[in-house]
Amino acid sequence: GQQVMQIPQYQHVQEGEDFTTYCNSSTTLSNIQWYKQRPGGHPVFLIQLVKSGEVKKQKRLTFQFGEAKKNSSLHITATQTTDVGTYFCGWGETSGSRLTFGEGTQLTVNP
Amino acid sequence: DGGITQSPKYLFRKEGQNVTLSCEQNLNHDAMYWYRQDPGQGLRLIYYSQIVNDFQKGDIAEGYSVSREKKESFPLTVTSAQKNPTAFYLCASSILNPGEQFFGPGTRLTVL
Repeated sequence: GQQVMQIPQYQHVQEGEDFTTYCNSSTTLSNIQWYKQRPGGHPVFLIQLVKSGEVKKQKRLTFQFGEAKKNSSLHITATQTTDVGTYFCGWGETSGSRLTFGEGTQLTVNP
Repeated sequence: DGGITQSPKYLFRKEGQNVTLSCEQNLNHDAMYWYRQDPGQGLRLIYYSQIVNDFQKGDIAEGYSVSREKKESFPLTVTSAQKNPTAFYLCASSILNPGEQFFGPGTRLTVL
């Protein structure tokens, strides 16, 4: 069956360091979305990727969808304390299907 | 202001009681969802609805029930059959399924 792993589960960085979280699937995905949840808050949509090899940037954030549509990553350059939170990937197995979410990567940033 | 509202923010109930969590959206979204989040965990789908008067079970539907009588509203009932109901419950909506999901602020349910 479908298996998607999100790694790492936790990441502690010094402010200014880079950060990357990955979602890796055993099968091809239709699409993938990324969300951020601040401590005590609710998830907020960041991006959706649907095309093979797609790369999208939002300021210091870079999102990638692998060529085989089995892997995705979120990379933050030069982290800031405002980046603290848990980052979730959510994937659709087929077009029009519901999302399934990963367990998230909890990022802490030491000032 | 457009958005999703959930009420109340905190809810306490005695074991054995049913409780209904409210979710209302004025975004004119067709699809609505209920997720459960436990401490340090991801989001697990309870139920979702793509259209009024229709809904589907998610991954952990046992012990829960929903209704979708109006486009704007998708209430979730946590029944006494749910063995571990204490959790953070999040409601979301989207134009498409799947599409960008907009989440409400959540309800923290504690069953004593």
